[in-house]
Amino acid sequence: GQQVMQIPQYQHVQEGEDFTTYCNSSTTLSNIQWYKQRPGGHPVFLIQLVKSGEVKKQKRLTFQFGEAKKNSSLHITATQTTDVGTYFCAGPMNRDDKIIFGKGTRLHILP
Amino acid sequence: EAQVTQNPRYLITVTGKKLTVTCSQNMNHEYMSWYRQDPGLGLRQIYYSMNVEVTDKGDVPEGYKVSRKEKRNFPLILESPSPNQTSLYFCASSFSAPPGIGQYFGPGTRLTVT
Repeated sequence: GQQVMQIPQYQHVQEGEDFTTYCNSSTTLSNIQWYKQRPGGHPVFLIQLVKSGEVKKQKRLTFQFGEAKKNSSLHITATQTTDVGTYFCAGPMNRDDKIIFGKGTRLHILP
Repeated sequence: EAQVTQNPRYLITVTGKKLTVTCSQNMNHEYMSWYRQDPGLGLRQIYYSMNVEVTDKGDVPEGYKVSRKEKRNFPLILESPSPNQTSLYFCASSFSAPPGIGQYFGPGTRLTVT
């Protein structure tokens, strides 16, 4: 069945270093969404990408959607302690009303 | 304040004892969904609803029921809970089906079935 793979599963970075998580789908996605979940919290919607090759920025966060609409990435520049958490990508399944999440990348910041 | 609320937040129960986890949103959202989150497995969709009286199975619907009699409420029912349903459950809503806009998540319900 349709899968959304996310790598890496865990990432430890020194504060100030950059961080990237990658999301790969087994099928073409009509769109992809990114969420952040702080430890002990609930997922919070960050952004949605719809167009092939789309790039969006939110301050230090850069989101990309691949040309084939099968992969996406989230890049954080100069990480801060507030970036700690798990980042999930999510995309609609074939019928567009179900949604499937990647397993997430847990980011840990070393002071 | 726009929000999704869930109750209870924590629940410990025994195998076979029927339970309901309530979910309510105050944003007039059409789409509502239930997820379970387990270590190493991420978020998996249980059921979703496109609108009142319209529900459909997600990825892991076995052992669960839902209903959508009112737009704001989407309760999750476990008729006969089993230990493998011990998990963290999230309710979520969005204005339309997820492709249209991101989902708002509730605070979560941590369920333990012994």
